[in-house]
Amino acid sequence: DQQVKQNSPSLSVQEGRISILNCDYTNSMFDYFLWYKKYPAEGPTFLISISSIKDKNEDGRFTVFLNKSAKHLSLHIVPSQPGDSAVYFCAAIAPGTYKYIFGTGTRLKVLA
Amino acid sequence: EAGVTQFPSHSVIEKGQTVTLRCDPISGHDNLYWYRRVMGKEIKFLLHFVKESKQDESGMPNNRFLAERTGGTYSTLKVQPAELEDSGVYFCASSQRQGIGISGANVLTFGAGSRLTVL
Repeated sequence: DQQVKQNSPSLSVQEGRISILNCDYTNSMFDYFLWYKKYPAEGPTFLISISSIKDKNEDGRFTVFLNKSAKHLSLHIVPSQPGDSAVYFCAAIAPGTYKYIFGTGTRLKVLA
Repeated sequence: EAGVTQFPSHSVIEKGQTVTLRCDPISGHDNLYWYRRVMGKEIKFLLHFVKESKQDESGMPNNRFLAERTGGTYSTLKVQPAELEDSGVYFCASSQRQGIGISGANVLTFGAGSRLTVL
């Protein structure tokens, strides 16, 4: 049973526009969420995170929004750039643990 | 600072053979993790070392998988004998601390992965 779900396997966006990647989770005990970005033949690299006590965290062009009541988080990239083309993984951590629970990833393609 | 290094980057073996994957974590990182991604699916936790001790191996699929971290430095993951369903990308990650700290989650740094293909 998958606890973290990324229901869109792929997304294409024009350069300069906003990219919105979505993630849903089922375990209300998760209290920390992260987004990782992965280029081909490379390992996932940390992008941005958010604690469950917040509803928004911003870092440059990247903003993560958390809606606890809906058990939903999203990553906004504005403006999108061709170099943002990668697979984005959402991950969650439960309190008292250290295991990341990952989603299946969303492949973002930013068109020049 | 060198990152997490994994070797080999790609291994192709036949069913029934043995493969050993190696991971060198970032120097000074006591916590070392193995994760696996099977084609198109999520990245799944396999196990966690703190120094040389196995903290949690609940994600290991079965006893054909053996992980070691002698001396608390590099780690190896051996698959013996390999089966077709073992194909995937095996990621190693490391961190200084574990879990969630005062300043937030202790972010894992991942290696590039070792792609295993079992024919």
